[in-house]
Amino acid sequence: QKEVEQNSGPLSVPEGAIASLNCTYSDRGSQSFFWYRQYSGKSPELIMSIYSNGDKEDGRFTAQLNKASQYVSLLIRDSQPSDSATYLCAARVPHAGGTSYGKLTFGQGTILTVHP
Amino acid sequence: DGGITQSPKYLFRKEGQNVTLSCEQNLNHDAMYWYRQDPGQGLRLIYYSQIVNDFQKGDIAEGYSVSREKKESFPLTVTSAQKNPTAFYLCASSIGKAAWSRGGTQYFGPGTRLTVL
Repeated sequence: QKEVEQNSGPLSVPEGAIASLNCTYSDRGSQSFFWYRQYSGKSPELIMSIYSNGDKEDGRFTAQLNKASQYVSLLIRDSQPSDSATYLCAARVPHAGGTSYGKLTFGQGTILTVHP
Repeated sequence: DGGITQSPKYLFRKEGQNVTLSCEQNLNHDAMYWYRQDPGQGLRLIYYSQIVNDFQKGDIAEGYSVSREKKESFPLTVTSAQKNPTAFYLCASSIGKAAWSRGGTQYFGPGTRLTVL
C-alpha cells in the first residue's frame, strides 16, 4: 500500500467550477500535509500547508484535513485555465527510530484540466 | 533574490559515466533534499541532509552519492551504478529543526533533466 495516494485523474472541470482533489495517507503519525502545483516541465510550487483538522482557506484555495479518516483534500473555487496542472499531495511522516525530523512522502499527483 | 538554483538545466550522460548535479540555496535553510521524478509519477526521495557534514539515504539511494560540505550546497552525483538514471531531478530545502516541528515546508529548485544517451 502506498503511503500517500491520489487519484491520478485526469480531472476535467469547466472554467468557473469547483475542482476537488483528494488524497489519503496510511501513516497515522503523519503530522503535516502539503499541496504543491506542478506545471508541465516545471518544479513543484507550494500552494497550501495544513497541520490541524478542519479547513484552511487561502484565496480561491481551501485545504481540508480529516485525521480520523486519514484524508486531505484541496478545493479550487472559480477554476481557471491557468489552474491546469498536476497537483501533488505530500505528508510529513516521522522518521522511523526518531533519529531525524521526518521527511515528505508524495503521492503520484492528480492531473487537473480546466477547460474554457 | 533568495532561492534555490540548480545546474545544469539539461544534462546528457553516456553509458558508464558519472555526472554531478549542482544545487545551491541562499535561503539559510539547514535541510536540503534530492528527489527524482519519472514521467507521470510523484517525487521519490534520493538523499537528504539536515545539517552540514551529515546526510541520510532516502528511498532510492542506490547508484547515487551526495556531499554536504557547505550549508548552501548539496551536490548529487549520479554514478554508473544507477542503471536507469533518465529522469527529472529536483533539489529542495527547508528550515531546520527549530521550524521543522511546526511544518517542514520544502521549497524546490527549477530542476535538472538528465538523459542517458
